[in-house]
Amino acid sequence: DTEVTQTPKHLVMGMTNKKSLKCEQHMGHRAMYWYKQKAKKPPELMFVYSYEKLSINESVPSRFSPECPNSSLLNLHLHALQPEDSALYLCASSQGAGGWNEQFFGPGTRLTVL
Amino acid sequence: QKEVEQDPGPLSVPEGAIVSLNCTYSNSAFQYFMWYRQYSRKGPELLMYTYSSGNKEDGRFTAQVDKSSKYISLFIRDSQPSDSATYLCAMKRLPNDYKLSFGAGTTVTVRA
Repeated sequence: DTEVTQTPKHLVMGMTNKKSLKCEQHMGHRAMYWYKQKAKKPPELMFVYSYEKLSINESVPSRFSPECPNSSLLNLHLHALQPEDSALYLCASSQGAGGWNEQFFGPGTRLTVL
Repeated sequence: QKEVEQDPGPLSVPEGAIVSLNCTYSNSAFQYFMWYRQYSRKGPELLMYTYSSGNKEDGRFTAQVDKSSKYISLFIRDSQPSDSATYLCAMKRLPNDYKLSFGAGTTVTVRA
């Protein structure tokens, strides 16, 4: 299984809502990533978890809260988002420290904030 | 100045043509280079990765790296309409680096 899955595919939420994005991989990878991608722009790194610990936080606003419950799962909790947070949110995974760390991306969740 | 420069295009070619894509970079610490393909409304998929200066071939795809000029290229031979996508170059300093530096992406359309 060389797939990263993400749910939901699409999400529409209001600025006062709380929602979560979910990402799962079963490749035995020990690093997992969240990216944000706006239209016609490259992905921007948000967070990296390595061996279930937060390794990188690219100064992301606290209205985005990542969580890594186990080595296969990654969540992104969303609260009090702004319309400018509307984007494609991509999850990726890679082998982890010591390897090539080739990143495998999921299909993304398209988020619209009203 | 961005660390990685990539012409966003768009690039439109007839079926069967050679597609030529390139990126330049300013950080000489970058040693590992990747090309990702991203179809509309999908996540990026890794096409090729390379470390050495020189050429690497995989089927219709050739990746070229010139570290002395800080210039990388991707060539697609015998292009097909299914190659229509956005192509992103990416690079990093060390093999186990988590953070990639991406180019802006070039949108390619192959006309049937």
